[in-house]
Amino acid sequence: DVKVTQSSRYLVKRTGEKVFLECVQDMDHENMFWYRQDPGLGLRLIYFSYDVKMKEKGDIPEGYSVSREKKERFSLILESASTNQTSMYLCASRTGMKNTEAFFGQGTRLTVV
Amino acid sequence: GQQVMQIPQYQHVQEGEDFTTYCNSSTTLSNIQWYKQRPGGHPVFLIQLVKSGEVKKQKRLTFQFGEAKKNSSLHITATQTTDVGTYFCAGGTGGFKTIFGAGTRLFVKA
Repeated sequence: DVKVTQSSRYLVKRTGEKVFLECVQDMDHENMFWYRQDPGLGLRLIYFSYDVKMKEKGDIPEGYSVSREKKERFSLILESASTNQTSMYLCASRTGMKNTEAFFGQGTRLTVV
Repeated sequence: GQQVMQIPQYQHVQEGEDFTTYCNSSTTLSNIQWYKQRPGGHPVFLIQLVKSGEVKKQKRLTFQFGEAKKNSSLHITATQTTDVGTYFCAGGTGGFKTIFGAGTRLFVKA
Protein backbone atom coordinates (compact mmCIF):
# COMPACT_ATOMS: atom_id res chain seq x y z
CA ASP A 1 0.00 0.00 0.00
CA VAL A 2 1.42 3.34 -1.03
CA LYS A 3 2.21 5.76 1.71
CA VAL A 4 3.02 9.42 2.19
CA THR A 5 3.69 10.24 5.83
CA GLN A 6 3.85 13.68 7.36
CA SER A 7 5.71 14.00 10.62
CA SER A 8 3.00 15.77 12.60
CA ARG A 9 -0.78 15.87 12.44
CA TYR A 10 -1.07 19.01 14.57
CA LEU A 11 1.54 21.62 15.40
CA VAL A 12 1.44 24.83 17.42
CA LYS A 13 4.34 27.25 17.07
CA ARG A 14 5.11 30.77 18.19
CA THR A 15 5.57 33.73 15.87
CA GLY A 16 9.17 34.00 14.75
CA GLU A 17 10.02 30.34 15.33
CA LYS A 18 11.70 28.27 12.65
CA VAL A 19 9.37 25.41 11.74
CA PHE A 20 10.16 22.17 9.94
CA LEU A 21 7.47 20.05 8.32
CA GLU A 22 8.67 16.67 7.18
CA CYS A 23 7.26 14.39 4.52
CA VAL A 24 8.37 10.88 3.63
CA GLN A 25 7.12 8.67 0.80
CA ASP A 26 7.83 4.99 0.28
CA MET A 27 6.93 4.75 -3.40
CA ASP A 28 10.27 5.81 -4.93
CA HIS A 29 8.51 8.78 -6.55
CA GLU A 30 10.56 11.42 -8.30
CA ASN A 31 8.16 14.31 -7.75
CA MET A 32 7.15 15.73 -4.40
CA PHE A 33 4.98 18.73 -3.60
CA TRP A 34 4.00 20.96 -0.72
CA TYR A 35 0.57 22.60 -0.73
CA ARG A 36 -1.29 24.69 1.76
CA GLN A 37 -5.03 24.39 2.03
CA ASP A 38 -7.20 27.26 3.19
CA PRO A 39 -11.01 27.49 3.14
CA GLY A 40 -12.29 28.83 -0.16
CA LEU A 41 -8.82 28.84 -1.72
CA GLY A 42 -8.31 25.15 -2.36
CA LEU A 43 -4.82 23.73 -2.60
CA ARG A 44 -2.11 26.23 -3.43
CA LEU A 45 1.32 25.02 -4.45
CA ILE A 46 4.19 26.28 -2.32
CA TYR A 47 7.16 24.38 -3.73
CA PHE A 48 7.81 21.19 -5.62
CA SER A 49 10.80 19.00 -6.34
CA TYR A 50 11.33 16.77 -9.36
CA ASP A 51 14.58 15.20 -8.17
CA VAL A 52 16.96 15.06 -5.24
CA LYS A 53 18.38 18.50 -4.48
CA MET A 54 16.14 20.05 -7.17
CA LYS A 55 13.36 22.44 -6.29
CA GLU A 56 11.01 24.81 -8.03
CA LYS A 57 8.89 27.60 -6.65
CA GLY A 58 5.18 27.15 -6.78
CA ASP A 59 2.55 29.86 -6.65
CA ILE A 60 3.08 31.06 -3.06
CA PRO A 61 6.72 30.43 -2.07
CA GLU A 62 7.22 33.59 -0.01
CA GLY A 63 8.15 32.86 3.58
CA TYR A 64 8.94 29.21 2.84
CA SER A 65 11.92 27.15 1.76
CA VAL A 66 12.35 23.45 1.07
CA SER A 67 14.98 20.75 1.25
CA ARG A 68 15.26 17.45 -0.57
CA GLU A 69 18.47 15.67 0.36
CA LYS A 70 17.08 12.18 -0.18
CA LYS A 71 14.58 10.97 -2.74
CA GLU A 72 12.05 9.83 -0.18
CA ARG A 73 12.06 12.94 1.99
CA PHE A 74 10.87 16.46 1.27
CA SER A 75 10.96 19.08 4.01
CA LEU A 76 9.12 22.38 4.18
CA ILE A 77 10.75 25.11 6.27
CA LEU A 78 9.13 28.21 7.64
CA GLU A 79 12.14 30.42 8.35
CA SER A 80 10.26 32.72 10.73
CA ALA A 81 6.70 31.63 11.32
CA SER A 82 3.96 34.23 11.12
CA THR A 83 0.28 34.07 12.02
CA ASN A 84 -0.73 34.24 8.35
CA GLN A 85 1.01 30.90 7.87
CA THR A 86 -1.54 29.20 10.07
CA SER A 87 -3.00 26.63 7.71
CA MET A 88 -3.31 22.98 6.72
CA TYR A 89 -0.17 21.79 4.93
CA LEU A 90 -0.35 18.85 2.57
CA CYS A 91 2.53 16.93 1.09
CA ALA A 92 2.06 14.92 -2.10
CA SER A 93 4.18 12.71 -4.30
CA ARG A 94 3.88 11.15 -7.72
CA THR A 95 6.01 9.41 -10.30
CA GLY A 96 8.29 11.26 -12.69
CA MET A 97 5.95 10.62 -15.60
CA LYS A 98 3.56 13.41 -16.45
CA ASN A 99 -0.19 13.09 -15.97
CA THR A 100 0.02 10.66 -13.10
CA GLU A 101 -2.03 10.71 -9.92
CA ALA A 102 -0.77 12.38 -6.79
CA PHE A 103 -0.71 10.64 -3.42
CA PHE A 104 -1.24 12.88 -0.42
CA GLY A 105 -0.12 12.70 3.15
CA GLN A 106 -2.62 13.09 5.97
CA GLY A 107 -1.82 16.77 6.40
CA THR A 108 -0.32 18.91 9.15
CA ARG A 109 -2.52 21.51 10.73
CA LEU A 110 -0.15 24.28 11.79
CA THR A 111 -1.22 27.02 14.14
CA VAL A 112 1.10 29.98 14.66
CA VAL A 113 0.33 32.00 17.77
CA GLY B 1 -1.09 33.02 -14.26
CA GLN B 2 -3.02 29.89 -15.03
CA GLN B 3 -6.16 29.39 -13.00
CA VAL B 4 -8.77 26.72 -12.57
CA MET B 5 -12.09 28.05 -11.33
CA GLN B 6 -14.46 25.63 -9.63
CA ILE B 7 -18.11 26.19 -8.79
CA PRO B 8 -20.10 26.05 -6.67
CA GLN B 9 -18.08 26.50 -3.49
CA TYR B 10 -20.73 24.69 -1.44
CA GLN B 11 -23.72 22.51 -2.25
CA HIS B 12 -26.35 21.21 0.12
CA VAL B 13 -28.52 18.38 -1.21
CA GLN B 14 -31.10 16.00 0.11
CA GLU B 15 -30.04 12.36 -0.07
CA GLY B 16 -31.15 11.00 -3.43
CA GLU B 17 -30.76 14.30 -5.28
CA ASP B 18 -28.17 14.79 -7.99
CA PHE B 19 -25.07 16.95 -7.66
CA THR B 20 -22.75 18.59 -10.19
CA THR B 21 -19.54 20.55 -9.81
CA TYR B 22 -17.87 22.44 -12.65
CA CYS B 23 -14.33 23.47 -13.43
CA ASN B 24 -13.15 26.04 -15.93
CA SER B 25 -9.59 26.80 -16.92
CA SER B 26 -8.24 29.99 -18.40
CA THR B 27 -5.98 27.92 -20.67
CA THR B 28 -6.08 24.58 -22.44
CA LEU B 29 -5.23 21.70 -20.14
CA SER B 30 -3.25 18.57 -20.93
CA ASN B 31 -5.47 16.55 -18.60
CA ILE B 32 -7.89 16.92 -15.72
CA GLN B 33 -7.88 14.94 -12.52
CA TRP B 34 -10.55 14.71 -9.83
CA TYR B 35 -9.93 14.15 -6.14
CA LYS B 36 -12.21 13.64 -3.16
CA GLN B 37 -11.39 14.78 0.36
CA ARG B 38 -13.54 13.40 3.14
CA PRO B 39 -14.03 15.63 6.20
CA GLY B 40 -10.85 15.47 8.26
CA GLY B 41 -9.06 13.52 5.54
CA HIS B 42 -6.70 14.15 2.69
CA PRO B 43 -7.41 14.34 -1.06
CA VAL B 44 -7.71 10.96 -2.73
CA PHE B 45 -7.46 10.49 -6.47
CA LEU B 46 -10.67 9.52 -8.23
CA ILE B 47 -10.01 9.66 -11.96
CA GLN B 48 -8.11 11.30 -14.81
CA LEU B 49 -9.40 12.47 -18.17
CA VAL B 50 -7.01 13.15 -21.02
CA LYS B 51 -8.88 13.22 -24.32
CA SER B 52 -11.01 16.02 -25.67
CA GLY B 53 -14.71 15.28 -25.03
CA GLU B 54 -13.90 12.28 -22.85
CA VAL B 55 -16.59 10.89 -20.55
CA LYS B 56 -15.89 8.35 -17.83
CA LYS B 57 -18.17 6.75 -15.29
CA GLN B 58 -17.56 5.26 -11.88
CA LYS B 59 -20.83 3.82 -10.58
CA ARG B 60 -22.95 6.90 -9.78
CA LEU B 61 -20.20 9.38 -10.74
CA THR B 62 -19.87 10.74 -14.27
CA PHE B 63 -16.84 12.79 -15.30
CA GLN B 64 -16.60 14.88 -18.46
CA PHE B 65 -13.77 16.74 -20.15
CA GLY B 66 -14.77 19.50 -22.53
CA GLU B 67 -14.09 19.50 -26.24
CA ALA B 68 -11.70 22.43 -25.90
CA LYS B 69 -10.01 20.81 -22.88
CA LYS B 70 -10.73 23.90 -20.82
CA ASN B 71 -13.62 22.69 -18.71
CA SER B 72 -14.74 19.62 -16.83
CA SER B 73 -17.60 18.44 -14.68
CA LEU B 74 -18.34 15.81 -12.09
CA HIS B 75 -21.93 14.65 -11.75
CA ILE B 76 -23.18 12.41 -8.96
CA THR B 77 -26.52 10.70 -9.47
CA ALA B 78 -28.71 10.01 -6.45
CA THR B 79 -26.33 11.22 -3.77
CA GLN B 80 -25.75 9.20 -0.63
CA THR B 81 -24.41 10.29 2.75
CA THR B 82 -21.13 8.59 1.90
CA ASP B 83 -20.63 11.15 -0.87
CA VAL B 84 -20.04 14.00 1.59
CA GLY B 85 -16.72 15.75 1.29
CA THR B 86 -14.90 18.21 -0.90
CA TYR B 87 -14.37 17.47 -4.58
CA PHE B 88 -11.39 19.04 -6.29
CA CYS B 89 -10.54 19.23 -9.94
CA ALA B 90 -6.88 19.52 -10.86
CA GLY B 91 -5.69 20.65 -14.26
CA GLY B 92 -2.47 19.42 -15.80
CA THR B 93 -0.32 22.05 -17.45
CA GLY B 94 1.81 19.72 -19.52
CA GLY B 95 4.68 20.00 -17.09
CA PHE B 96 5.05 18.76 -13.55
CA LYS B 97 2.65 21.25 -12.00
CA THR B 98 -1.01 20.60 -11.40
CA ILE B 99 -3.39 23.49 -10.75
CA PHE B 100 -6.13 22.72 -8.26
CA GLY B 101 -9.54 24.28 -8.21
CA ALA B 102 -10.81 25.67 -4.91
CA GLY B 103 -13.04 22.64 -4.43
CA THR B 104 -16.76 22.10 -3.98
CA ARG B 105 -17.88 21.00 -0.57
CA LEU B 106 -20.86 18.66 -0.72
CA PHE B 107 -23.26 18.28 2.18
CA VAL B 108 -25.84 15.50 2.02
CA LYS B 109 -28.84 15.51 4.31
CA ALA B 110 -30.34 12.12 5.12
